[in-house]
Amino acid sequence: AQSVTQLGSHVSVSEGALVLLRCNYSSSVPPYLFWYVQYPNQGLQLLLKYTTGATLVKGINGFEAEFKKSETSFHLTKPSAHMSDAAEYFCAVSDLLGGKLIFGQGTELSVKP
Amino acid sequence: DAGITQSPRHKVTETGTPVTLRCHQTENHRYMYWYRQDPGHGLRLIHYSYGVKDTDKGEVSDGYSVSRSKTEDFLLTLESATSSQTSVYFCAISESGLAPDTQYFGPGTRLTVL
Repeated sequence: AQSVTQLGSHVSVSEGALVLLRCNYSSSVPPYLFWYVQYPNQGLQLLLKYTTGATLVKGINGFEAEFKKSETSFHLTKPSAHMSDAAEYFCAVSDLLGGKLIFGQGTELSVKP
Repeated sequence: DAGITQSPRHKVTETGTPVTLRCHQTENHRYMYWYRQDPGHGLRLIHYSYGVKDTDKGEVSDGYSVSRSKTEDFLLTLESATSSQTSVYFCAISESGLAPDTQYFGPGTRLTVL
């Protein structure tokens, strides 16, 4: 069965610092991987997704993620954090049979001034 | 933004009462999903629909039923609400339901069962 683990339920960074949110997956076949962001009291919004091809995926708001098959990882990064990046971030893997999403536990990102 | 609305946005109810949550889309997408979000669990799939009158169970379907009589509406019913169903409920839609189709999420319904 597929699964997703996000390391760290809370991450705090200073404004301007590197953001690194960790995601590891378990899948017996090459997966499709997603990062979603949830701002307070809102629904989830797609940041980026990996399907096939280039392993470095660029998303919205300056975020990017790299698919590393050997490490079964899909970590999310942003070079310089902004206050507006404070939100909860979810990594997800797609069920290959039907496209259903399996989510990680979520990581809450705080950005300090 | 995808045209997805959920109603009500907030609801407080008592244990044992029936509750129905509504998801409405204007995108004409075939697939619709209901998730619940709980701290430490991320989002978990309750039920999904792949067409009018076509539905199937997800990971945490016990205590929930769904119906889809029109393409645009997907209803989630708690037949007899329990405190363990206090959660935030999200509806999502996707065009084909096939990987790696993107799912678009509604704004959520916060349900409290006393």
